[in-house]
Amino acid sequence: RKEVEQDPGPFNVPEGATVAFNCTYSNSASQSFFWYRQDCRKEPKLLMSVYSSGNEDGRFTAQLNRASQYISLLIRDSKLSDSATYLCVVNSGYSTLTFGKGTMLLVSP
Amino acid sequence: DAGVIQSPRHEVTEMGQEVTLRCKPISGHNSLFWYRQTMMRGLELLIYFNNNVPIDDSGMPEDRFSAKMPNASFSTLKIQPSEPRDSAVYFCASSYRTSGYNEQFFGPGTRLTVL
Repeated sequence: RKEVEQDPGPFNVPEGATVAFNCTYSNSASQSFFWYRQDCRKEPKLLMSVYSSGNEDGRFTAQLNRASQYISLLIRDSKLSDSATYLCVVNSGYSTLTFGKGTMLLVSP
Repeated sequence: DAGVIQSPRHEVTEMGQEVTLRCKPISGHNSLFWYRQTMMRGLELLIYFNNNVPIDDSGMPEDRFSAKMPNASFSTLKIQPSEPRDSAVYFCASSYRTSGYNEQFFGPGTRLTVL
């Protein structure tokens, strides 16, 4: 089983739609969780951290379910500029991160 | 402020040649990471340094790969000899490590093609 698994997509949605991405992780000892965003041919950048209580940043909401080892990202009112690959990331010790392969989102007019 | 700087941005070389990738982390950061990204395997950690000391190199694929960090402002990743399967985007990232997790900032990457 891969350490971090994501649906690769692509998810094709119209502007204004709500879209949700899911991710599962295998290491129950994982401590910290994140979503990174990667634009085409660019480097990954931190989008948001994920907390057990759930957290929101504008149109973005992240949820963590430790019992199910499941992480989600919800994007409301999608914009064209949201088109990117979203990487689910887990920190399992020290400073090291384990990345999922990413889910591609394409938002169309 | 300057972010993580990597050079070259693109490298095309022939199988068997030596390749050296360079990275300058963000000033003041004490942790540095080398990653490789391919379509098949995604983003994989190759090695990371803390205070210029290699901490975990378990991701380095084989002896053809080596990494050094002679000082806090410079690191290299060397492949010798290179093979076509080494073709990938290589990212360097840095962070300021404290007791908890701290955000890693990525450089723009080096796109390596081995013919």
